[in-house]
Amino acid sequence: DQQVKQNSPSLSVQEGRISILNCDYTNSMFDYFLWYKKYPAEGPTFLISISSIKDKNEDGRFTVFLNKSAKHLSLHIVPSQPGDSAVYFCAASAPSKLTFGKGITLSVRP
Amino acid sequence: DTGVSQNPRHKITKRGQNVTFRCDPISEHNRLYWYRQTLGQGPEFLTYFQNEAQLEKSRLLSDRFSAERPKGSFSTLEIQRTEQGDSAMYLCASSFLNRKETQYFGPGTRLLVL
Repeated sequence: DQQVKQNSPSLSVQEGRISILNCDYTNSMFDYFLWYKKYPAEGPTFLISISSIKDKNEDGRFTVFLNKSAKHLSLHIVPSQPGDSAVYFCAASAPSKLTFGKGITLSVRP
Repeated sequence: DTGVSQNPRHKITKRGQNVTFRCDPISEHNRLYWYRQTLGQGPEFLTYFQNEAQLEKSRLLSDRFSAERPKGSFSTLEIQRTEQGDSAMYLCASSFLNRKETQYFGPGTRLLVL
């Protein structure tokens, strides 16, 4: 029973364009949602989070949108840079442990 | 702030042997978490500590697994009688008590059981 789903395994975008990474969840008790970035042989690096009572949070090039009625969130990266190429995990908190999706591999083409 | 550190970074062992991993959290963080990640999956929660108290354990944590955080600082995760299915990346994370949703991860220990 996967409570956090990232249905697309990969995404390829051109440098300078927008990257949109999607995530769906099933558990209404999740109180925070987070995005992590992971390079090979490293641990996940925290990127940005959003409380379940908000619908948008922005930090530099990264914006996370939350649609509670659809149980859907997305991460927008604008503009995308080659250094953004990595695996991105969506995670949800309820309340002390994180539940992760399977991740999506983002490739940003120069 | 040197971040979360984990040792060793890699461990190869034979089936049936015991292994122990160490995690040093960010020094001001009260909470420490262990996760396991297998190929093609996201990290899966194993257990967490608040100071020295172990407050929750996942059903993934069989009785061959034991974790400790004796003085509320570093933590150890021991796997007894390892099996090939234990091969995975073991990740440690830490957080402040009042910002428990934001967990900072270490580099992980990759375990290979032959």
